Order: sequence, then structure tokens, then C-alpha cells
Amino acid sequence: DQQVKQNSPSLSVQEGRISILNCDYTNSMFDYFLWYKKYPAEGPTFLISISSIKDKNEDGRFTVFLNKSAKHLSLHIVPSQPGDSAVYFCAAGDNQGGKLIFGQGTELSVKP
Amino acid sequence: EPEVTQTPSHQVTQMGQEVILRCVPISNHLYFYWYRQILGQKVEFLVSFYNNEISEKSEIFDDQFSVERPDGSNFTLKIRSTKLEDSAMYFCASTRDRTFYTFGSGTRLTVV
Repeated sequence: DQQVKQNSPSLSVQEGRISILNCDYTNSMFDYFLWYKKYPAEGPTFLISISSIKDKNEDGRFTVFLNKSAKHLSLHIVPSQPGDSAVYFCAAGDNQGGKLIFGQGTELSVKP
Repeated sequence: EPEVTQTPSHQVTQMGQEVILRCVPISNHLYFYWYRQILGQKVEFLVSFYNNEISEKSEIFDDQFSVERPDGSNFTLKIRSTKLEDSAMYFCASTRDRTFYTFGSGTRLTVV
């Protein structure tokens, strides 16, 4: 049951360039989406979220885009920094039970 | 910034033993969750807890698992008879309104 998918297990980007992480979902009942960053042996750290009534949300270097018709969201990091290197998870939830469904994660490596 | 605190950070237990994982959610949060991540796999929902009762549980959360909020601040996950496949990182999360979730740093459970 893969309701949330991150098809790229890894991404390598040069420092200063844009990182684009993608996420697809299948359940049209999801109405908010979140991106988390995770380092090994640590808990997920919230980055940014977006409600289904919006198509874009920006916070500093991080922007999340939501395309509801395509059931696709993406996280843009501009400019990328070496400290951004981590595993990025997208997660989706609905207002019914509140649980989050996570994607498999994309490991981002930002090279100096 | 308020944090979700989890203890212990690492627990090693023998197969068949009972373990209790502890969490202190953020004080004004209302919804509480346990998730787990088996090494190399995605973060999986286990159970959600609201108004002193389980509101939703996954198929992973079988009779070996239980949750409690014994004193209004702690939120515990008990595994009655651990199996090797219970080895994972266990994350507690809490939220006030089911839009912004805060995760703890996790407990690494190793069953030997």
C-alpha cells in the first residue's frame, strides 16, 4: 500500500544550485502535506507544509509546490547548502484521523 | 522551542521480554502518535491517541502493543513480548491541531 511515493531514493546536487525533491500520492482524501528532514538516528524534523487549498508555500530557501490534479508535490531548496544533506520525507494526512503516511524518503547530498 | 522528549534513546532487550518506550509530548498538544522506522524502510504509522483513547491503529499494532497516557504528561508504548522484527526506531509525535506535528528524536529498540 504505497499511498505516498518518492521515486528517487537519492539526489546529488552542487552547492548553490537548486534541489528538487518529488513526491506523488494516490489518495485524493489527503488534504495536507508535509516535508520532513531526517538525519540518521534522529527523529524527523519538520520543514514545511502545505494545505490542499494552496498550490505553493514558501519559507526562506524552501518552497513546496502542490499539483492536486497530478497528485504531485515537490520541495525546492534554493540555494542548496552542504548542511541540507539528509534524508527528506514527504508525508500526507487527512483531517479524519490525523495520521501521516510517509514516502520512502530521498537522500539528498549537497556537494561543496 | 517546545520539544517532544523520548526515553530511552536506545533500548536493548531479549526476545520475549516486555519493553516500555516513553514519550513526553508538548504540553498543550491534544493528539499523540507512535510511528516506527525499520532500518532502511519508511516511517510507518502505528497508533494515534486522542481524548484518552486510541483513535486509530495500523495492522502492525497488534495485541502485543498497547499505549497509555497514565498521568496527563507521559505517553507510553508497551510491547509485551518482543520479537526480533520489532527492532526499529520508534518515534513519538504530537500535534495540537493535526496540521503541525512535532516528532521526538526516537528510541532505537534492538531485540536480540
